[in-house]
Amino acid sequence: GAGVSQTPSNKVTEKGKYVELRCDPISGHTALYWYRQSLGQGPEFLIYFQGTGAADDSGLPNDRFFAVRPEGSVSTLKIQRTERGDSAVYLCASSPGSLAQYFGPGTRLTVL
Amino acid sequence: AQSVTQPDIHITVSEGASLELRCNYSYGATPYLFWYVQSPGQGLQLLLKYFSGDTLVQGIKGFEAEFKRSQSSFNLRKPSVHWSDAAEYFCAVGGPNDYKLSFGAGTTVTVRA
Repeated sequence: GAGVSQTPSNKVTEKGKYVELRCDPISGHTALYWYRQSLGQGPEFLIYFQGTGAADDSGLPNDRFFAVRPEGSVSTLKIQRTERGDSAVYLCASSPGSLAQYFGPGTRLTVL
Repeated sequence: AQSVTQPDIHITVSEGASLELRCNYSYGATPYLFWYVQSPGQGLQLLLKYFSGDTLVQGIKGFEAEFKRSQSSFNLRKPSVHWSDAAEYFCAVGGPNDYKLSFGAGTTVTVRA
């Protein structure tokens, strides 16, 4: 079946702009996660959804970052007033409960 | 706090030779352990996982890993590497009530002919 999909695959924006990154999880997976991977590092946790609610957003770096999952499926990560330090690959994963997480291909965000 | 250390940043191995990637973890309870592989420009693919039971787990692409609680390790092995195994490998730890995964910094594997 289809895996986790993320759009766009690449996003280039200017400092100060607003961006939205989309994640479409595996059908039927109730849990959805966002991670950020900086160059040369492993992924770092940002936020976790169980259904429609954000069960844990402790990994979001500041209040410029926000994520939603209004219908318990697709999720959008929103970044306001982007900064150059936000440049990274943003990974989305989903899982059927507390089992292994399956990752999408990521969105590479570049802030100029 | 949970954490993962992958001591080797980069490993070069000849095609057909064996491969072992080290992973040490810190976790306060029974860990769930994972190995993921990431090829250039690709997302993370799950190679194998350990939740409980047999400490030697088999994964895809001929990989296996052994959980050693006394050493807090979960090393990944492959008896004979193929050129297509060149990639970056990440070890991760979570738990039965801990949905966050903590990843190591990764080990880059280069395969020479």
